[in-house]
Amino acid sequence: DGGITQSPKYLFRKEGQNVTLSCEQNLNHDAMYWYRQDPGQGLRLIYYSQIVNDFQKGDIAEGYSVSREKKESFPLTVTSAQKNPTAFYLCASSQAVFHEQFFGPGTRLTVL
Amino acid sequence: AQSVAQPEDQVNVAEGNPLTVKCTYSVSGNPYLFWYVQYPNRGLQFLLKYITGDNLVKGSYGFEAEFNKSQTSFHLKKPSALVSDSALYFCAVRDKGDDKIIFGKGTRLHILP
Repeated sequence: DGGITQSPKYLFRKEGQNVTLSCEQNLNHDAMYWYRQDPGQGLRLIYYSQIVNDFQKGDIAEGYSVSREKKESFPLTVTSAQKNPTAFYLCASSQAVFHEQFFGPGTRLTVL
Repeated sequence: AQSVAQPEDQVNVAEGNPLTVKCTYSVSGNPYLFWYVQYPNRGLQFLLKYITGDNLVKGSYGFEAEFNKSQTSFHLKKPSALVSDSALYFCAVRDKGDDKIIFGKGTRLHILP
């Protein structure tokens, strides 16, 4: 069964902590993305990666970091520098950069 | 700079009636246009795309969209709405000369039984 998995589904973080969100795909896609979704604001791009060991900042990269050591994996770390991290985070992948994207089920992060 | 607008936050349609979800865009070159659907607490699912060719694009679940270059619009349509079509719909645009996709803010579609 091909697709994108994200874990965990729900994540709670205390202020000042870093947390890492997992994203794995078995679609053999080259490009992967992280988006943040807030009510009424649509999707905003955090980071994207076109190939292994390469990634670019999106529109709201401050306070986030990523790595792309394997084609299948694109984890996102939400650092303590992110001032308002409570949101729904979506990972996606595509055959080539910014072609039609396939999305994971999302991780809802709440800062306590 | 490219942009996309979904002018309606919410659309209500009676089951069995035709539905339209509106999308307008602005790009400097030729656009790639996409529609996605999101069910509660889920990721987005791809519905359809326009790259080039026929202005009427058919997609998943009986949806279609019409590309109108003069009006810079890409409205999503379905001839007969189902209650299960109730969801959040996103339009997205990419300028062919750019490497970014911009998503609209979404339109919540309510199909009333």
